[in-house]
Amino acid sequence: GENVEQHPSTLSVQEGDSAVIKCTYSDSASNYFPWYKQELGKGPQLIIDIRSNVGEKKDQRIAVTLNKTAKHFSLHITETQPEDSAVYFCAASRSGGSNYKLTFGKGTLLTVNP
Amino acid sequence: GAVVSQHPSWVICKSGTSVKIECRSLDFQATTMFWYRQFPKQSLMLMATSNEGSKATYEQGVEKDKFLINHASLTLSTLTVTSAHPEDSSFYICSASPPGHATGKQYFGPGTRLTVT
Repeated sequence: GENVEQHPSTLSVQEGDSAVIKCTYSDSASNYFPWYKQELGKGPQLIIDIRSNVGEKKDQRIAVTLNKTAKHFSLHITETQPEDSAVYFCAASRSGGSNYKLTFGKGTLLTVNP
Repeated sequence: GAVVSQHPSWVICKSGTSVKIECRSLDFQATTMFWYRQFPKQSLMLMATSNEGSKATYEQGVEKDKFLINHASLTLSTLTVTSAHPEDSSFYICSASPPGHATGKQYFGPGTRLTVT
């Protein structure tokens, strides 16, 4: 089955700096890669996703890049703010058909220091 | 759009009793819902996939007789933890996929904190 590795496990940055979180996946058939933000005591919130036919996607301060050949994808947050502090999870799945379960990375605790 | 709710948000029950958790998609119909559990400082672990009108598919190691799932309508799935024990204490989260499930997109509920005493 799919295996998703996520690094780093913790990341501390100063407000205004950029943060980058990286994930690798093992199943070359995976074609959907979402990123979730989870605040303490809450459910995960989908913040951005990318499909395998696209190399990069941006939404304001958040961007995701995908390298299918190397089987890795990254989350980039620019101009970080204290409210960006949370746990971020990457995930991968094969969308389409009946096998579209998400496999999650272990998460990255991002702390943005004011 | 794509709002998923859960009820209750937290529950405390005694060992040996059963607890039901509801998951609702509020503004879309979900043919498929997923149930996860999450222990402190860990990632989400998929327990089962719930399809409307059919039996749930459980992940390996998840006892289907202990975690009963019913997906009675396109907007409601329930998880019942039967004969709960302290080791069942966890954060239970559901997610729902909007129509056209081939997209793979899942929207998560706010979670239910279960404490078994």
